[in-house]
Amino acid sequence: QVQLQESGPGLVKPSETLSLTCTVSGESINNHYYNWIRQSAGKGLEWIGRISTTGRINYNPSLKSRVIMSVDTSKNQVSLTLNSVTVADTAVYFCARDGIVLSGSFNWFNPWGRGTLVTVSS
Amino acid sequence: DIQMTQSPSSLSASVGDRVTISCRASRSPDNYVNWYQFKPGQAPKLLIYTVSRLQSGVPSRFIGSGSGTDFTLTIDTLQPEDFATYFCQQTYNTPTFGQGTKVESK
Repeated sequence: QVQLQESGPGLVKPSETLSLTCTVSGESINNHYYNWIRQSAGKGLEWIGRISTTGRINYNPSLKSRVIMSVDTSKNQVSLTLNSVTVADTAVYFCARDGIVLSGSFNWFNPWGRGTLVTVSS
Repeated sequence: DIQMTQSPSSLSASVGDRVTISCRASRSPDNYVNWYQFKPGQAPKLLIYTVSRLQSGVPSRFIGSGSGTDFTLTIDTLQPEDFATYFCQQTYNTPTFGQGTKVESK
């Protein structure tokens, strides 16, 4: 059974860089897109982007200028980097697998990780 | 982006009740509508995908329906474990979510 777990610093200072990792267990990360989603009090649930091990990436246009996603197949991990953070980036960050194998279109998300809270504060 | 307007934002119900949650899209997302259950401290759970398909392992009391711009999640005979927050999602283009509906115990 595939499981996803997010990890990273819980506190980031304004203007600095947020870096998170999603570790996938139970199957290889090949053959699927992996999504990042965040949930904040101010903006609700917001899709950040997705990445596959084939190098295909889609970003939310609203965050595209500050986001970088990458994969490490040797560690079965995907990573999220968000630059120049502000307090508005305070949120619970989730990773989730696409529901269909390497579909070009967007699909449902299943499964999800439990999420990790990131607070942006000085 | 397609905006998803979900209602109500919260509701109070009793075990055994029939609960209905609505999502209205700003334009048609075709059949790319999904529903999730969120509980604190747990991984969110996919309930319904492509409007009405029940995810494997999800009880049949969860029913998705709709077309065009109006979509509904119905929980038929609410169970104690169903008190949670529910979100709709469209994935026709850049994925977006509704604002959520918190189902609380009356």
